[in-house]
Amino acid sequence: AQSVTQPDIHITVSEGASLELRCNYSYGATPYLFWYVQSPGQGLQLLLKYFSGDTLVQGIKGFEAEFKRSQSSFNLRKPSVHWSDAAEYFCAVIGNEKLTFGTGTRLTIIP
Amino acid sequence: DAGITQSPRYKITETGRQVTLMCHQTWSHSYMFWYRQDLGHGLRLIYYSAAADITDKGEVPDGYVVSRSKTENFPLTLESATRSQTSVYFCASRGQGAVTNEQFFGPGTRLTVL
Repeated sequence: AQSVTQPDIHITVSEGASLELRCNYSYGATPYLFWYVQSPGQGLQLLLKYFSGDTLVQGIKGFEAEFKRSQSSFNLRKPSVHWSDAAEYFCAVIGNEKLTFGTGTRLTIIP
Repeated sequence: DAGITQSPRYKITETGRQVTLMCHQTWSHSYMFWYRQDLGHGLRLIYYSAAADITDKGEVPDGYVVSRSKTENFPLTLESATRSQTSVYFCASRGQGAVTNEQFFGPGTRLTVL
């Protein structure tokens, strides 16, 4: 069965600083990977996804993620965060047509 | 307005009562999903449906019942609510076709069982 690990429960970053959120997956076949963002009191919104091709994937809101098969990782990055990026971020993998989510990383932005 | 909606947005109930959470989508998506979100667990799949009258269990189905008589609706029923079912519930849908198609999420229902 597939699984996703997000090792960082909570990250605090200064506005304007760079960001990297970690995601490690376990899946026997080629993984289909996703990053979702959840703003407070809201549902989840897709940031980006990877299923083949270029291992560097561009998403919405200036986010990107890099798929590294050798490290079983799919880390999310942003070069300069904005206060509006404060939210919870979930990495997910598809297996048997079902999404399996990580436990999430809460991002706090400080001025 | 098009999209995926959930009702109610907030619900307080008592142990042992039956509760139904509603989910409605206007895209005619084939697939619909119910998740629960709990601290330390992320989102976990309760049930999903590939089409009307086709449902299947997810990771945590115990204590829940679903039905899908119409493509656009996917109600989730807690037949006898327990405190452990206090959670935020999200409905999602996606279209037919590639499994990599995006799942669209509703705004969630916050359920408290006293």
